[in-house]
Amino acid sequence: NAGVTQTPKFRILKIGQSMTLQCTQDMNHNYMYWYRQDPGMGLKLIYYSVGAGITDKGEVPNGYNVSRSTTEDFPLRLELAAPSQTSVYFCASTRRLAGEMDTQYFGPGTRLTVL
Amino acid sequence: GESVGLHLPTLSVQEGDNSIINCAYSNSASDYFIWYKQESGKGPQFIIDIRSNMDKRQGQRVTVLLNKTVKHLSLQIAATQPGDSAVYFCAENHSNYQLIWGAGTKLIIKP
Repeated sequence: NAGVTQTPKFRILKIGQSMTLQCTQDMNHNYMYWYRQDPGMGLKLIYYSVGAGITDKGEVPNGYNVSRSTTEDFPLRLELAAPSQTSVYFCASTRRLAGEMDTQYFGPGTRLTVL
Repeated sequence: GESVGLHLPTLSVQEGDNSIINCAYSNSASDYFIWYKQESGKGPQFIIDIRSNMDKRQGQRVTVLLNKTVKHLSLQIAATQPGDSAVYFCAENHSNYQLIWGAGTKLIIKP
C-alpha cells in the first residue's frame, strides 16, 4: 500500500490564482481530512469527510472547498489564493469504525507559497 | 484559542536519557488523546494514544500518562536516541470527527 499520497509536493501561486491539491489513499479508509500547518504551529483542520459524498467544515474552512466523489480521493480547492494561505497542507485518513480510536495516517504534505 | 497547549516549545535531552514531553488540555469532555511525531519535512506520524478511561499506556520505549484531575498529558521516551529528534504534538478528540492539536514541542538530542 502507498498509504496517503499528495500532489504536488511544492507550489508557488500568485495572488488570485486557483489550484487543486490532490489527496489519494489506498487503505479503504472512510474518513479523510485536510489540515494546514503554519510555521512552528500545530495542525488546523480545514475540511473533513466521513465518506464518499459527505463533507463538512473544520476549524478554518474559509477560502477552501472540497469534494469527495470516491472513497479514495479528497481534493482541496483554493479558488482565489491569498498570502494568508501560504502554509503546508496535510491530508490524512482513517478507518473509523464503532469503538475504534481515531488514528490518522498522514500524507507527506504540500508546501504552498502565495506571492 | 487553542484547547490543547504545551508547556515547553523546545526540550534538549542527552542521548540515552529519558525524555518527558508535557501537554495540557482544557476540554474535560475529551475522551481520546494522541501523540504524534513529526520529523522535518514530513507528515505527522502516530506514536501512541490513550482513552480517557485509562491513566497509563505503554508502547515500545514510549509511555503516555493521563491525569484527568489536572487535565494533563505526558509522553515519556525511554533511552532517547538521535532518531527521536522531531517535533512532538499532542492532540485531543474534540468531537466525533475532529482532533484539536497543540503547537508542538521540539525535541533536541544532545550527543
